[in-house]
Amino acid sequence: KNQVEQSPQSLIILEGKNCTLQCNYTVSPFSNLRWYKQDTGRGPVSLTIMTFSENTKSNGRYTATLDADTKQSSLHITASQLSDSASYICVVSDRGSTLGRLYFGRGTQLTVWP
Amino acid sequence: EADIYQTPRYLVIGTGKKITLECSQTMGHDKMYWYQQDPGMELHLIHYSYGVNSTEKGDLSSESTVSRIRTEHFPLTLESARPSHTSQYLCASSFSGERTDTQYFGPGTRLTVL
Repeated sequence: KNQVEQSPQSLIILEGKNCTLQCNYTVSPFSNLRWYKQDTGRGPVSLTIMTFSENTKSNGRYTATLDADTKQSSLHITASQLSDSASYICVVSDRGSTLGRLYFGRGTQLTVWP
Repeated sequence: EADIYQTPRYLVIGTGKKITLECSQTMGHDKMYWYQQDPGMELHLIHYSYGVNSTEKGDLSSESTVSRIRTEHFPLTLESARPSHTSQYLCASSFSGERTDTQYFGPGTRLTVL
């Protein structure tokens, strides 16, 4: 069964600290993995995307890694800011159908305190 | 910020009413999607469209219907709303010509059925 599991479910950190969010998946065949940021009451916004051959991708203070062999990804946030408070969603795409179906994790709810 | 719009942003309505959630995008994307998301849960695909006059049901069974008469417009209709339809509804679009087929999300409609 194609699944995406994220941990932790929620995380509280102090402003300026770093943190790492985890994503494990069982989606096959694998096409790409995205990390989205979803602010409360808003739609998700894409942060990074990685294909099978890429093992790291950065977007400002966000750095995503991918290990396609172990089917794990992480999102590292450096020098956190209050505006980083949001849900971070791991999304894996397959190519087993013409749709290129997306499998969503439940997200990690990050809260950054001043 | 993606050019995809949803109205209304919030809707509180009584049981049995007919409602239409609007979604429009100005990016010329051929693919459009509707997702349902409950608090703390993953997004579930309920409808998608590859282009004008093309609509398909998604993974999650839904009593809603959709139409795609114009490329930029993808409304979702509930003929008779019930409390079980209370949820957040997210519209998204993507361009099939883009290698990564990234989906861009609207801000969502929070529906409450009393």
